[in-house]
Amino acid sequence: QQQVKQSPQSLIVQKGGIPIINCAYENTAFDYFPWYQQFPGKGPALLIAIRPDVSEKKEGRFTISFNKSAKQFSLHIMDSQPGDSATYFCAACTSGTYKYIFGTGTRLKVLA
Amino acid sequence: GAVVSQHPSRVICKSGTSVKIECRSLDFQATTMFWYRQFPKQSLMLMATSNEGSKATYEQGVEKDKFLINHASLTLSTLTVTSAHPEDSSFYICSARVDTSEYYEQYFGPGTRLTVT
Repeated sequence: QQQVKQSPQSLIVQKGGIPIINCAYENTAFDYFPWYQQFPGKGPALLIAIRPDVSEKKEGRFTISFNKSAKQFSLHIMDSQPGDSATYFCAACTSGTYKYIFGTGTRLKVLA
Repeated sequence: GAVVSQHPSRVICKSGTSVKIECRSLDFQATTMFWYRQFPKQSLMLMATSNEGSKATYEQGVEKDKFLINHASLTLSTLTVTSAHPEDSSFYICSARVDTSEYYEQYFGPGTRLTVT
């Protein structure tokens, strides 16, 4: 119930492509869904986040799509660049606990 | 804003010794900080939640006596790995809770690579 399932485990796209990373959850009490980007040897950096009352959110080249009925959400990276090559984690949180449940991560490689 | 630092960035210690890792919120006050552990190519595993002025709350399976957490001020939390062993070698990352108009976000530090020989 507390798990967040993330797929794919790894992803390779050409420069300019649109990688899509998917996450699914079971716990309907989750009410905040952030995405983090992590480079090797560094801490995760917050990219974008969404609440379940919104179906889509865009910030720059990053878009979150949220499907509340399916309990799924995804990250789209528009016009991907080699500098976007990193590991991406989705997460979910419930009001009051402040604790994030992280997905297993997706290693993205964008080819030049 | 919302910058979190960690010190040291890398530490090598001998088996049996203790190591202290500091986590600081540089430009804000953090009533709640979190400590994570991350193994290579794996996700972040929450170890404990640290609240300023009170005892830390540890996740199931995390040894309280081995991983001592102190949150003595609104800008500093420390993790001490006591009697470290090679299996404690890992990447330790802290985060600080930031209350925004939207939610309670977490901002992460750069991590500390611990190697126990």
